[in-house]
Amino acid sequence: EVQLVESGGGLVKPGGSLRLSCAASGFTFSSYSMNWVRQAPGKGLEWVSSISSSSSYIYYADSVKGRFTISRDNAKNSLYLQMNSLRAEDTAVYYCARVMVEKWLVRQPFDYWGQGTLVTVSS
Amino acid sequence: DIQMTQSPSSLSASVGDRVTITCRASQSISSYLNWYQQKPGKAPKLLIYAASSLQSGVPSRFSGSGSGTDFTLTISSLQPEDFATYYCQQSYSTSIFTFGPGTKVDIK
Repeated sequence: EVQLVESGGGLVKPGGSLRLSCAASGFTFSSYSMNWVRQAPGKGLEWVSSISSSSSYIYYADSVKGRFTISRDNAKNSLYLQMNSLRAEDTAVYYCARVMVEKWLVRQPFDYWGQGTLVTVSS
Repeated sequence: DIQMTQSPSSLSASVGDRVTITCRASQSISSYLNWYQQKPGKAPKLLIYAASSLQSGVPSRFSGSGSGTDFTLTISSLQPEDFATYYCQQSYSTSIFTFGPGTKVDIK
């Protein structure tokens, strides 16, 4: 069974940093591209970042470019999101999600999602 | 960047109703359009991908159509478990995956 479990969320002050993790199991993690998607309280879904299976391709939304860094450790079956210079508008539930087709990143849907981890940026 | 819009933003319907939700892209995205269902406090669930392909395990009352800029999600006979928010997502762009603003389906 495919499982994605996020962790690392919490309360952080504006300007602070936080590192999110996503532990994957039930599939060959190193073969799949992964993504972070966030959802502010009461709002819609916002794609944040994507990383290909070998980390060769990485993309960011303009809203986080230069502040967030996506990475992965295929040996540990883990995906990460390093978030720096956090702002109030970064407050959201952060989901990790898998791209549906092995070895592909672009033009694919997200077929499995974690339960999310809440990040609150407030003084 | 490709922008996605959905209509309506919300609708009220009864069990057994046929429900149609529309998604429009700001430019042609061929058939690279996906639909997700999200219930309160839960992660999104993939329903339809590539505009009209039903994800494994999703009931056949859900269907998708369209290509280019205009797409439709149809629920042929609304069931109690279908009350949720529905999002479209374009995966045409090679570097950005844009979601629509969502359509909330609630009980009339």
